[in-house]
Amino acid sequence: NAGVTQTPKFRILKIGQSMTLQCTQDMNHNYMYWYRQDPGMGLKLIYYSVGAGITDKGEVPNGYNVSRSTTEDFPLRLELAAPSQTSVYFCASITGSGANVLTFGAGSRLTVL
Amino acid sequence: AQSVAQPEDQVNVAEGNPLTVKCTYSVSGNPYLFWYVQYPNRGLQFLLKYITGDNLVKGSYGFEAEFNKSQTSFHLKKPSALVSDSALYFCAVRDGWGTNAGKSTFGDGTTLTVKP
Repeated sequence: NAGVTQTPKFRILKIGQSMTLQCTQDMNHNYMYWYRQDPGMGLKLIYYSVGAGITDKGEVPNGYNVSRSTTEDFPLRLELAAPSQTSVYFCASITGSGANVLTFGAGSRLTVL
Repeated sequence: AQSVAQPEDQVNVAEGNPLTVKCTYSVSGNPYLFWYVQYPNRGLQFLLKYITGDNLVKGSYGFEAEFNKSQTSFHLKKPSALVSDSALYFCAVRDGWGTNAGKSTFGDGTTLTVKP
């Protein structure tokens, strides 16, 4: 099992550019999440999904969009990148039943210049 | 609403000494509590969790945590620290009641440094 796979690992964007961070899980998990991690800070929830076709906003959704067309994939789109979006992004998933543990991807480091 | 506080940005201990990383939490319902560890340039990895039952929870790599309901704390402990334990540690909480969609709230993290 690969678990949660994120691509790309690193990316540099110019202000105003757009891009999509990819996230795929092969564990048949229902629930998927996107977090951002800023230096010295904990993880902040951007968006989450409880199943294919269902998404909802987290704490810090502004400037981002998501979609969930399949159980496996949960891409995060950045529109009109801004320096404030420089961060490390983590995708995670759980089955959604019981007190299950989050499984995280390795992260995507994004720099906006 | 749920929240987590990790009052120490950094904890330094000598190898072989006991270590404690502190965490306090706030939730409306029953707390589901978690500790995760992050090594440099890696994603977070699960260490242990408390859902119900015994207040002392044992996890991976010799770590344990004590749930204290009256003090709303869930401190991470290890009797004898190793240099390889040096990493960033996150406490997380989830409200076990209601339709919270499994959303966890994370503390800001504590950097543990174990010196030889």
